[in-house]
Amino acid sequence: QVRLQESGPGLVKPSETLSLTCTVSGGSISGYYWSWIRQPPGKGLDWIAYMYSGGSTNYNPSLKSRVTISVDTSKNQFSLKLSSVTAADTAVYYCARGRGGDRYYYFDYWGLGSLVTVSS
Amino acid sequence: QSVLTQPPSVSAAPGQKVTISCSGSSSNIGNNYVAWYQQLPGTAPRLLIYDNNHRPSGIPDRFSGSKSGTSATLGITGLQAGDEADYYCGTWDDSLSAGVFGGGTKLTVL
Repeated sequence: QVRLQESGPGLVKPSETLSLTCTVSGGSISGYYWSWIRQPPGKGLDWIAYMYSGGSTNYNPSLKSRVTISVDTSKNQFSLKLSSVTAADTAVYYCARGRGGDRYYYFDYWGLGSLVTVSS
Repeated sequence: QSVLTQPPSVSAAPGQKVTISCSGSSSNIGNNYVAWYQQLPGTAPRLLIYDNNHRPSGIPDRFSGSKSGTSATLGITGLQAGDEADYYCGTWDDSLSAGVFGGGTKLTVL
């Protein structure tokens, strides 16, 4: 059974960089679109980015200038960095395994989520 | 403002059927497959439907999906109290070159 687990600080100060790591167990990291999605408190889902295991990336245009995503295949992990955070970046951050190809992109496994609060 | 449009809420009695709509455009639903996710209170989303109408292993056939043009629909029959959740549609948007979701629909089982 594939499992994903987010880890990282639950509190980040304004203007600093949010860093999260997702550890994948029970399956290979190859051949998938490793993705980050967030959900502000009481609101809907917001797609952040993906990195294909082969190295290509794609970012939400509204966050592109602040986001970096990377994959470490040797550790079966992938990571998210979001710079210059503000209170608007407070959310539950989910990592997910993306399945993608010709005209399809969906998430078949999700982490439990990690609440990140931006506050001084 | 979400790229895909869903009704904020729907409700129906136990045992009844409910449908949830998801409206988009030619750059997203019109040209790509749609997925649906269920988010029970306090939990992570779970994949319910992929490629418009396919159910992952373990998802009961009470859940179904369809697509026509730039809209998609999730159907749930034989409603149960345990179906109370938020439901989200999602797909890829070619113009934005980004994943997109609907704003979510809260299902209440009366």
